[in-house]
Amino acid sequence: EDQVTQSPEALRLQEGESSSLNCSYTVSGLRGLFWYRQDPGKGPEFLFTLYSAGEEKEKERLKATLTKKESFLHITAPKPEDSATYLCAVQPNDGGYQKVTFGTGTKLQVIP
Amino acid sequence: NAGVTQTPKFQVLKTGQSMTLQCAQDMNHEYMSWYRQDPGMGLRLIHYSVGAGITDQGEVPNGYNVSRSTTEDFPLRLLSAAPSQTSVYFCASSYSRTGNYGYTFGSGTRLTVV
Repeated sequence: EDQVTQSPEALRLQEGESSSLNCSYTVSGLRGLFWYRQDPGKGPEFLFTLYSAGEEKEKERLKATLTKKESFLHITAPKPEDSATYLCAVQPNDGGYQKVTFGTGTKLQVIP
Repeated sequence: NAGVTQTPKFQVLKTGQSMTLQCAQDMNHEYMSWYRQDPGMGLRLIHYSVGAGITDQGEVPNGYNVSRSTTEDFPLRLLSAAPSQTSVYFCASSYSRTGNYGYTFGSGTRLTVV
């Protein structure tokens, strides 16, 4: 069974204080690992897809990296508007469209 | 704006009542799904569709029905509401079977069953 564990559950940062969120996963064979951002009262918003170990993707202050067992979402010099819950999800090679397993998320709060 | 539209945003039901959560997308996506999100749990798949006329069960299908008569619409029906169905429901759609471009989610329906 595919599993996704995100840590920490919650993270509080001062504005400008860089940090990383962790997503550990177990999957029979990885087709893709996804990062989403979810604001309160809204649906998740797609950020990145990573496919293979060593791959990196960036968007503004966010950089996602992937190893064979985990992914990191690095947040550089965060701003208050980066406050949100960040979700990680994995899709296995042997699954169809629907076989995506989501983690429970990391709630990030950036304080001015 | 193009995207996934869910209605209603909020709903309170009494135990035993039925209702339909509406979901519509205007991106011509073939793939659509319904998820529920509960505190401390990841998004869990209820039902999904890979095209008009084709639906299948996800992880937690009991108590819910779906149909997909058009590409655009994918309603979720609660047959006889129970307090355990209190949750936030999200509809999602995707262009790609492999999710290369991720899912586009609606803004959710917060359902309370009393």
